[in-house]
Amino acid sequence: DQQVKQNSPSLSVQEGRISILNCDYTNSMFDYFLWYKKYPAEGPTFLISISSIKDKNEDGRFTVFLNKSAKHLSLHIVPSQPGDSAVYFCAASEGSNDYKLSFGAGTTVTVRA
Amino acid sequence: NAGVMQNPRHLVRRRGQEARLRCSPMKGHSHVYWYRQLPEEGLKFMVYLQKENIIDESGMPKERFSAEFPKEGPSILRIQQVVRGDSAAYFCASSPNGMLYNEQFFGPGTRLTVL
Repeated sequence: DQQVKQNSPSLSVQEGRISILNCDYTNSMFDYFLWYKKYPAEGPTFLISISSIKDKNEDGRFTVFLNKSAKHLSLHIVPSQPGDSAVYFCAASEGSNDYKLSFGAGTTVTVRA
Repeated sequence: NAGVMQNPRHLVRRRGQEARLRCSPMKGHSHVYWYRQLPEEGLKFMVYLQKENIIDESGMPKERFSAEFPKEGPSILRIQQVVRGDSAAYFCASSPNGMLYNEQFFGPGTRLTVL
């Protein structure tokens, strides 16, 4: 039972352009959301998070948007760089204190030079 | 400052054998979490441990799977009598405490293949 869904398994984008990654969730109790980035042969590393009391959080080139009524969040990367080529996982939990993360299946981003 | 270490990185077992996966948390971290990633799926929570205690094993299969985090040494995820469906990537994460805002730092994973 996938409670967090990333429906695009892959995304290819030109260097310098915007990458938009989407994530949908079904559990209305989720109120804390995270994005992780994963390179081959490495573990996921934390990228950015957002609490449900916000609809936007920005950190440098990365911005996460949350639409709670639609149970949808997205990650924007602007501008995309070759080093951004990786797998991106969306994750969610019930409360910022909850250690139990639910992950999407991931989106593989390829940034073309 | 070494990150989370997992070994082995790759493990091949035949059906019916035992698999032991090890995880050494980051220095100063006393909380360990195990996740499993089946092909084409996201990581799924299995178990949360502190030193010598299992805090939450709600994601662990009821049979053949066990986990421990002894006072000394790494955390161990043990799978007895492996079956083909156990083939997956197993990730360990650690945190300094159980609060999510401190983030969970993930190891590189152990890829288990059951023949």
